[in-house]
Amino acid sequence: AQSVTQLGSHVSVSEGALVLLRCNYSSSVPPYLFWYVQYPNQGLQLLLKYTSAATLVKGINGFEAEFKKSETSFHLTKPSAHMSDAAEYFCAVTSYNQGGKLIFGQGTELSVKP
Amino acid sequence: DGGITQSPKYLFRKEGQNVTLSCEQNLNHDAMYWYRQDPGQGLRLIYYSQIVNDFQKGDIAEGYSVSREKKESFPLTVTSAQKNPTAFYLCASSTGTGDIHEQYFGPGTRLTVT
Repeated sequence: AQSVTQLGSHVSVSEGALVLLRCNYSSSVPPYLFWYVQYPNQGLQLLLKYTSAATLVKGINGFEAEFKKSETSFHLTKPSAHMSDAAEYFCAVTSYNQGGKLIFGQGTELSVKP
Repeated sequence: DGGITQSPKYLFRKEGQNVTLSCEQNLNHDAMYWYRQDPGQGLRLIYYSQIVNDFQKGDIAEGYSVSREKKESFPLTVTSAQKNPTAFYLCASSTGTGDIHEQYFGPGTRLTVT
């Protein structure tokens, strides 16, 4: 079975500081990994995805994530936080044998202080 | 503009009543999904459909029912058998399961049952 663990349900950073949101996965087959962002009372928007091509993936809004197989991690980073980055972030995993179903982590709420 | 619409945005019902949540997509996607979101629990899969006239139970299908009579529509009925129906419900779609495609999400429906 696949699973995702997001370390830290709440992360707070200052504007301009590095954003680091942690995601570790468990999968017995090669995984495909996603990061989504959710603003209050809205749906989820895809930030980026890893599908076995380059291990460093760049996404929208200046975010990027690196797939590290040895660490079973897919952490999300952004060099400089903006106030508009305040939202909830979800990591998700799937694989070729999951029929398109995604397994989501519990989410990390990012706060950005001025 | 292509996308997924969910209606209504907010829905209030009395305990013991069935209620149907609408989900429509004009992305020509084959697969559609229903998730339930509760604070601190991420997204949990209720039902999914990979093709018209076919659907499968997800992880928390008890107390819910769906239909998929048209490619663009995947309504979810929350029945009186669902013990704790108050939640945020998200519908999603993707191009299919032959390759790994990201899911696109609707804006969600917040259901409150009293």
